Amino acid sequence: DVKVTQSSRYLVKRTGEKVFLECVQDMDHENMFWYRQDPGLGLRLIYFSYDVKMKEKGDIPEGYSVSREKKERFSLILESASTNQTSMYLCATQRAQSYEQYFGPGTRLTVT
Amino acid sequence: GQSLEQPSEVTAVEGAIVQINCTYQTSGFYGLSWYQQHDGGAPTFLSYNALDGLEETGRFSSFLSRSDSYGYLLLQELQMKDSASYFCAVRDQTGGFKTIFGAGTRLFVKA
Repeated sequence: DVKVTQSSRYLVKRTGEKVFLECVQDMDHENMFWYRQDPGLGLRLIYFSYDVKMKEKGDIPEGYSVSREKKERFSLILESASTNQTSMYLCATQRAQSYEQYFGPGTRLTVT
Repeated sequence: GQSLEQPSEVTAVEGAIVQINCTYQTSGFYGLSWYQQHDGGAPTFLSYNALDGLEETGRFSSFLSRSDSYGYLLLQELQMKDSASYFCAVRDQTGGFKTIFGAGTRLFVKA
């Protein structure tokens, strides 16, 4: 069974803190994605990766960075958290050349 | 620019049929997907259309017209558990693996 896990369900951080969100998958999928979801805006792509150590910017990469040192793990980093980064963050995986994405449960991040 | 448009809300009664439309404008096109998301849950994949026509999966069907840049999700024999948000998504061929999501349609099913 497909499994995508995220490090936290809920997270509260202060403005200016460095924040790490981790995503781990056990399906050996090549592609991994980070989205943020806000009411009325749907899912917006922050970064994606199609291989270890490879990364591509999505539509809203500003203020974020990513790391993929191992195939199963994709980390999202907020270098200096700001209140406008308060959101639900969703990780997803996808087999190369496939169309179906599998999502993790999400991390609801609040920056105060 | 790249965009997908779908209605923000749809309301229907239990047992009825509802259609959720999606129009897209993208620089490349590799297929149209639909995802369902219940409150507090993660999006889950429902269907995918790469070619024109209708794809049926149980009570759910999805249609695509590439010439019209249009698709829809059809839900039949609505059940209360179908109350959820539904997202259309386009896989952008020029972006390789990039998928662009619409803002979502909130479906309310009434008894």
